[in-house]
Amino acid sequence: QKEVEQDPGPLSVPEGAIVSLNCTYSNSAFQYFMWYRQYSRKGPELLMYTYSSGNKEDGRFTAQVDKSSKYISLFIRDSQPSDSATYLCAMRDILKAAGNKLTFGGGTRVLVKP
Amino acid sequence: GAVVSQHPSRVICKSGTSVKIECRSLDFQATTMFWYRQFPKQSLMLMATSNEGSKATYEQGVEKDKFLINHASLTLSTLTVTSAHPEDSSFYICSASPTGPGELFFGEGSRLTVL
Repeated sequence: QKEVEQDPGPLSVPEGAIVSLNCTYSNSAFQYFMWYRQYSRKGPELLMYTYSSGNKEDGRFTAQVDKSSKYISLFIRDSQPSDSATYLCAMRDILKAAGNKLTFGGGTRVLVKP
Repeated sequence: GAVVSQHPSRVICKSGTSVKIECRSLDFQATTMFWYRQFPKQSLMLMATSNEGSKATYEQGVEKDKFLINHASLTLSTLTVTSAHPEDSSFYICSASPTGPGELFFGEGSRLTVL
């Protein structure tokens, strides 16, 4: 079993809909959680970074963390065709010596249709 | 956010040659940088952790003599793929963080094609 599970999709939604993405994890030592957006043939772009359980909002993006359930989510409101990309969740184990070493989910491909 | 730049963005080489990829942190200093490899439609695989002024730390299964990493300054890390073969063709991405525990920023990636 992978440490971080993420549905590969593709997830297809109409423009304006809410995109709902999630990841589950098994390592309770994961304390930092990130969401990245990656367009084809480009490097990942950091969208959201959270530490504690609860919600964090930034513009059209809301990140949720539920450490008790080992479950994180990303919601994209008012989705646009330009949001079509692969979304990767990533987590950091605070106990590991290599400070910023991340464990990634497999990524979910999202397609927003105009 | 912080800016991490990679060069070249795309390189094609013949089998048996060596290729160097540069990773620069443009607006911050990074004592640690990370090198990832990504195959088509797959997630990122960490190859090694580059440490300024000391040897890189390689992940299990990554050949350190094949993938040479040098972190000569606080803003530059290089990855050299030595004696490249077609199976080394991939998308290589570096990352770095301007702060301690959290935000990690990625370069634009370098696509290597070995003929």
